[in-house]
Amino acid sequence: GQNIDQPTEMTATEGAIVQINCTYQTSGFNGLFWYQQHAGEAPTFLSYNVLDGLEEKGRFSSFLSRSKGYSYLLLKELQMKDSASYLCAVRGAGTALIFGKGTTLSVSS
Amino acid sequence: NAGVTQTPKFRILKIGQSMTLQCTQDMNHNYMYWYRQDPGMGLKLIYYSVGAGITDKGEVPNGYNVSRSTTEDFPLRLELAAPSQTSVYFCAAAYYTGELFFGEGSRLTVL
Repeated sequence: GQNIDQPTEMTATEGAIVQINCTYQTSGFNGLFWYQQHAGEAPTFLSYNVLDGLEEKGRFSSFLSRSKGYSYLLLKELQMKDSASYLCAVRGAGTALIFGKGTTLSVSS
Repeated sequence: NAGVTQTPKFRILKIGQSMTLQCTQDMNHNYMYWYRQDPGMGLKLIYYSVGAGITDKGEVPNGYNVSRSTTEDFPLRLELAAPSQTSVYFCAAAYYTGELFFGEGSRLTVL
């Protein structure tokens, strides 16, 4: 089976840096995705990692360690609009993409 | 480009009724997925398809059926609706193993 764990909630202030962790156990591995979901909306794609290391995209970066079954999403220069749920998803040996329960991030001024 | 379109956006069903959630995509993506999302929870995979004529069960398939007769369409059928099927349903499409593009969601209430 597959298991994906992320913290349920996190809080941070505007301008700060926050790191959202994701650990996973899967049968096989074909990539890890991060999605952002604002309340009442559909998820939108943020990043994709299939090899170990850091992928940077503007204020957002994502890191993967396949040997440790671990990833994190790093958000820099936080803005109020970053308040949302952040979903970690893993594609195992097959084509199904399985999501964790998500981390709700609240950014305050 | 519409992307992934889901209909209806909202629906109220009575226990025991049946209905079909429609999903169509104009991106010519071969992989399509149905997820459900309950409050405070992540997305649970119901069914997915890697191409026309091919479907597979996901994590929570009971009470649902799908078909994939064309690349564009991937309808989700609910038979004998139950209160436990009250949820937000998302359809998504992907180009092979790439990122998923989601529809806006269908909010279903079973009373």
